Amino acid sequence: ETGVTQSPTHLIKTRGQQVTLRCSSQSGHNTVSWYQQALGQGPQFIFQYYREEENGRGNFPPRFSGLQFPNYSSELNVNALELDDSALYLCASRPDGAAKNIQYFGAGTRLSVL
Amino acid sequence: DAKTTQPTSMDCAEGRAANLPCNHSTISGNEYVYWYRQIHSQGPQYIIHGLKNNETNEMASLIITEDRKSSTLILPHATLRDTAVYYCIVGSNAGGTSYGKLTFGQGTILTVHP
Repeated sequence: ETGVTQSPTHLIKTRGQQVTLRCSSQSGHNTVSWYQQALGQGPQFIFQYYREEENGRGNFPPRFSGLQFPNYSSELNVNALELDDSALYLCASRPDGAAKNIQYFGAGTRLSVL
Repeated sequence: DAKTTQPTSMDCAEGRAANLPCNHSTISGNEYVYWYRQIHSQGPQYIIHGLKNNETNEMASLIITEDRKSSTLILPHATLRDTAVYYCIVGSNAGGTSYGKLTFGQGTILTVHP
């Protein structure tokens, strides 16, 4: 049990639509990262937020955006969905003061784009 | 971050030790070795990390060679529940608000047989 919960667990959208995925982490975990995991691949870093500000981004276009709230919840928004956006989206949190590479992952949201 | 190389798959008999190798020949002096695993339908789970000394916790042991160019994760008594994809990741151990991007490779699929 990591204390990181994601919703929904599964989601089906059509190409061109917009989607919002949600994550809730433990109190004191002010760093949240999002990852995309295509089938058969390792997770790929999308971006990281610390205290409601984005402070790191991977190689993903601007249509991937995020929000982080003071109550330890966060969102990943994807606009203009493409078929290749079909993947497992993972949220990971880190407690303040912990080493940056020790992260606690949720079970993910499986997004299918048709 | 340094690149890692792992075998694609390995098998292990239940109750025996599972030894998972990782090559990281370009590791720099301040980089640590981290291991995560991902059980089917779950998010990645942190296992252990180390710099140059051998490390042990309740889940596993980590053996790092003297030249730090390779390491081995040891599950001393593998169970069926240890069947998972195991990822070896190299990165710094900075904390605070440091940008923490985990770079996952393909990992090793470990199958534990009865």
